[in-house]
Amino acid sequence: DIQLTQSPSFLSASVGDRVTITCRASQGISNYLAWYQQKPGKAPKLLIYAASTLQSGVPSRFSGSGSGTEFTLTISSLQPEDFATYYCQRLNSYPLTFGGGTKVEIK
Amino acid sequence: EVQLLESGGGLVQPGGSLRLSCAASGFTFSSFAINWVRQAPGKGLEWVSAIGGSGLTTYFADSVKGRFTISRDNSKSTLYLQMNSLTAEDTAVYYCAKETRYCSSSSCPPFFDSWGQGTLVAVSS
Repeated sequence: DIQLTQSPSFLSASVGDRVTITCRASQGISNYLAWYQQKPGKAPKLLIYAASTLQSGVPSRFSGSGSGTEFTLTISSLQPEDFATYYCQRLNSYPLTFGGGTKVEIK
Repeated sequence: EVQLLESGGGLVQPGGSLRLSCAASGFTFSSFAINWVRQAPGKGLEWVSAIGGSGLTTYFADSVKGRFTISRDNSKSTLYLQMNSLTAEDTAVYYCAKETRYCSSSSCPPFFDSWGQGTLVAVSS
């Protein structure tokens, strides 16, 4: 199975900071990658699909890039409501897999 | 508005069975694949199973293959997950998620655009 390695697993940042999260696939997956945000006690929320397409209603400070084996999620200016856990997910073949998650906390 | 509502979770003994349901509304249910994703307490997300819109194609994670069955009743807009031979490792919040595809000239990647609120399954004696 194709593995996803997400880094860092934990990130401490301040409001206004630029934040980058990386997701690496063990084999090429083209643009078959999505990013989700999850807050405690809530269901995940789709942020980015097809590696770089912003989901409707998601603020433009979120962006995704990459193709093949390396992908990034960037938050251009961290806002208080962005403190959460972020997951990447590959969807090119079954079984589908999620990255291990990145918890973004307030510095 | 798309809504997904899971039910059927609860406390079950090891070796027992449970059937989860996911009632959908706000979209043409039979046109979309639906997935189950679970999250053990304090852990990350784990994809569990998927079923195509017609119900003819199904997929499972290795961790549940042979023990879980996924099905759907398109006349009721409801998805099911039959879970047998449950162990403590199956303890988790189970989410259903609607799958949509974004197709361009070069690729057609899917993604999960709507999720239910989750139902907790606890396996313990």
